[in-house]
Amino acid sequence: EVHLVESGGGLVQPGGSLRLSCAASGFTFSSYAMSWVRQAPGKGLEWVSALSGRGGSTFYADSVKGRFTISRDNSKNTLYLQMNSLRADDTAVYYCAKTSYDSGGYCDYWGQGTLVTVSS
Amino acid sequence: QLVLTQSPSASASLGASVKLTCTLSSGHSTYAIAWHQQQPEKGPRYLMKFNSDGSHTKGDGIPDRFSGSSSGAERYLTISSLQSEDEADYYCQTWGTGIQGVFGGGTKLTVL
Repeated sequence: EVHLVESGGGLVQPGGSLRLSCAASGFTFSSYAMSWVRQAPGKGLEWVSALSGRGGSTFYADSVKGRFTISRDNSKNTLYLQMNSLRADDTAVYYCAKTSYDSGGYCDYWGQGTLVTVSS
Repeated sequence: QLVLTQSPSASASLGASVKLTCTLSSGHSTYAIAWHQQQPEKGPRYLMKFNSDGSHTKGDGIPDRFSGSSSGAERYLTISSLQSEDEADYYCQTWGTGIQGVFGGGTKLTVL
């Protein structure tokens, strides 16, 4: 059974940093791309970042480019999102999602989400 | 540009059926999509992948009440025998040649 468990969210001041983690189990982690998708309060889903199975391909939404860094440790079955220079509009629930193929595709499993609040 | 368009809201009565629509942007009418359900205060849940040829792949434990269909650039999610727990936001999602995907704006389904 596939499980994705996010951690690392919390309250941070504008300009601060956070590192999100997503612990994965139940599948061959290194064979699939993984993504971070966020949802601001009362809004829809936004694809934030994605990383291929062995790290060769990445994607960042324009809204986070240059501030966020996605990475993975396939030996630990863990996905990360380093978030720097956080802004109020980064406030959202951040979901980790497994994508269906190593090259991307659709999200076929989701974590429960971790809340990031950027406020002074 | 790959864009998905969904109606913001829909409603139907308990026990009835409802058909939600997701429209692919011009030039992308053959793309497959995925449907996701998000119940209130919960994370998204993958429902199914639907291909333009009618084939589909459902997520774990998704009941037969949920089915997909298509016509041209439109992709549909039909929910039959509506239950109260079907009241949720429904998102369609597709993907192109890049590693990322794109979501529609979501449809809020109210069960009356």
